[in-house]
Parts: sequence; structure tokens; C-alpha cells
Amino acid sequence: GAGVSQSPSNKVTEKGKDVELRCDPISGHTALYWYRQSLGQGLEFLIYFQGNSAPDKSGLPSDRFSAERTGGSVSTLTIQRTQQEDSAVYLCASSRVGAGPRDWPREQYFGPGTRLTVT
Amino acid sequence: GDSVTQMEGPVTLSEEAFLTINCTYTATGYPSLFWYVQYPGEGLQLLLKATKADDKGSNKGFEATYRKETTSFHLEKGSVQVSDSAVYFCALRGPHSSNTGKLIFGQGTTLQVKP
Repeated sequence: GAGVSQSPSNKVTEKGKDVELRCDPISGHTALYWYRQSLGQGLEFLIYFQGNSAPDKSGLPSDRFSAERTGGSVSTLTIQRTQQEDSAVYLCASSRVGAGPRDWPREQYFGPGTRLTVT
Repeated sequence: GDSVTQMEGPVTLSEEAFLTINCTYTATGYPSLFWYVQYPGEGLQLLLKATKADDKGSNKGFEATYRKETTSFHLEKGSVQVSDSAVYFCALRGPHSSNTGKLIFGQGTTLQVKP
């Protein structure tokens, strides 16, 4: 079946502009994660969705970053007033939630990422 | 907080050489441990995992053993191939009671295998 898809694959924007990054998870995966891969910081967690709610936003680096998820499917990560330090590859991952009493998320499947360059 | 430390790369080996990439972790409780691989131009893929102490994860000739006493999860392969050239990430996921499933990654180790 189809994997996690992300769009655009590459985005170049000017400092100060807003950008939106999109993630289409695997169908039926209720858990969705955003991560950021940058040269200086490695791979960092940004935000976790379970359905349409985000119980863990602890990785968002500033209030310029926000994300939403609608219909328990597509998610959008928005960065306002972009800065050069926002340049990175933004990765999305999705997973099923286990059937056990703790609803434990299972293996995460990653998309190919969106490479964001802020000039 | 939880963290993962990997040996710095790049690691350059000749084909059929033995590979070890060191990974140690700091975590409260009993995390699950993972190795992910990122081949050139591709997304992250799960390579192997271990969910409790002394478990050995294995896949595609790679192995790693969850060592609680040394808080380590070193990746090994007996004979590497050119096609193993990639970036390898060690990661942990915290225990059920305090975690949403998010992964904490190491910095990544680039492996280059020469013919």
C-alpha cells in the first residue's frame, strides 16, 4: 500500500515569509509525528498527534511553529515569519495504535521529508 | 532527559569488513531501542529493534543487543557490502507510562563502504 507522503519535496522561501508543509499518513494510522533533521541539531521531535488532537507539542521550537490535523488524516505544519535557522528537512511519520489497554503506538513509518531552505 | 549518543562518523570500511557502530543511551525506566537507516535519497527506515533487556534485534545481517548494564545498543554486521552505505541512527522510545511514542535520536553515523 501507499506509504507516508509529504509535499512539497523541496521549498525555498525568503526570510520572513510563512510556509506550510503537508503530510499524508498511511491510511488507518491514527498516530502522526513531525520531526526535524538539521545539520546542527540532528533529528529532533517536534509534535505528536493522536487523531486530531496534539497531546505532545513539547518539541516545537517557538510560537512561530504550529501544526494541525484534520479528519484524523492529513497534517499541516506551518512556520510563520521563517528564519534562516528554520532551514532543515522536515520529516513526518505515522503509526497504528496498539489494541491493548494502553493504546500503545506501534512502529513509525517515515515519509521522504520536505527540504526547507530559507534564504 | 532521555538522550542517545552515537559514535561520530564518517565510518569508512572496505567491502566484507566487520562493522560496529556504538550507541549508548540515558533514559528513565526501560526504553525500547531502535536502529534506523537512511539510504541516499530515501526516507528513514526501521532496521531493527529491541524492547527489553538482553533482547537481540536482527535484520539484513545487522544485529544489536539491548544491554541494560552498560546502557548500550551497538550495531554490528559481520561483512558489509557497498549497498550498506547509508546514515544509521540509533533511537529510543520511552516506556509506556510516560511517553507518547516519540523517538529520541542520536546524531547519526555515516557509513561508506568501498569496493
